[in-house]
Amino acid sequence: AQSVTQLGSHVSVSEGALVLLRCNYSSSVPPYLFWYVQYPNQGLQLLLKYTTGATLVKGINGFEAEFKKSETSFHLTKPSAHMSDAAEYFCAVTTSGYSTLTFGKGTMLLVSP
Amino acid sequence: DADVTQTPRNRITKTGKRIMLECSQTKGHDRMYWYRQDPGLGLRLIYYSFDVKDINKGEISDGYSVSRQAQAKFSLSLESAIPNQTALYFCASTSGALGNTDTQYFGPGTRLTVL
Repeated sequence: AQSVTQLGSHVSVSEGALVLLRCNYSSSVPPYLFWYVQYPNQGLQLLLKYTTGATLVKGINGFEAEFKKSETSFHLTKPSAHMSDAAEYFCAVTTSGYSTLTFGKGTMLLVSP
Repeated sequence: DADVTQTPRNRITKTGKRIMLECSQTKGHDRMYWYRQDPGLGLRLIYYSFDVKDINKGEISDGYSVSRQAQAKFSLSLESAIPNQTALYFCASTSGALGNTDTQYFGPGTRLTVL
């Protein structure tokens, strides 16, 4: 079975500071990993994904994530937070036939001026 | 126009009522999904369908049923709504196996309140 753990239900940063959102996965087979963002009153939007190949993946809005198999992690980072980054972020994994996603519980990112 | 649409966007109903949430997609995708989102619990899969004749239960299907009326339409029903079904419901679609070329596209959500 696959699972995802997001550490921290809320993360607060100042504008311009580094953003680090943590995601660890559990899977017995090679996973595909995703980060989604949900802005208030909207659906989920794909930020980036890892399937195969390069372990450092770049996404939209300056976000990137690194797949570390030895640590079973896929942490999301952005060098400099912007007020518009305030949203809820979800990590997700798929393995079983690559047909369904299992989501983490989400991390709310709060950005202060 | 949005690729995945959901109706209604908001619904308030009473315990015991039958409710149907509808989802349509214009992307020509074969696979469609229903999730519910609860604060602090993330998204959990209710049902999914790979084509009109294929329906599969997800993690939390009890109390729900679905209908795939056409490739583009996938409805979620609550036969007898109860208060703990109060949640935000999302529909999603994708063309094939999730991976290099495919991802899930989400609708805007339906906020359901059961009194």
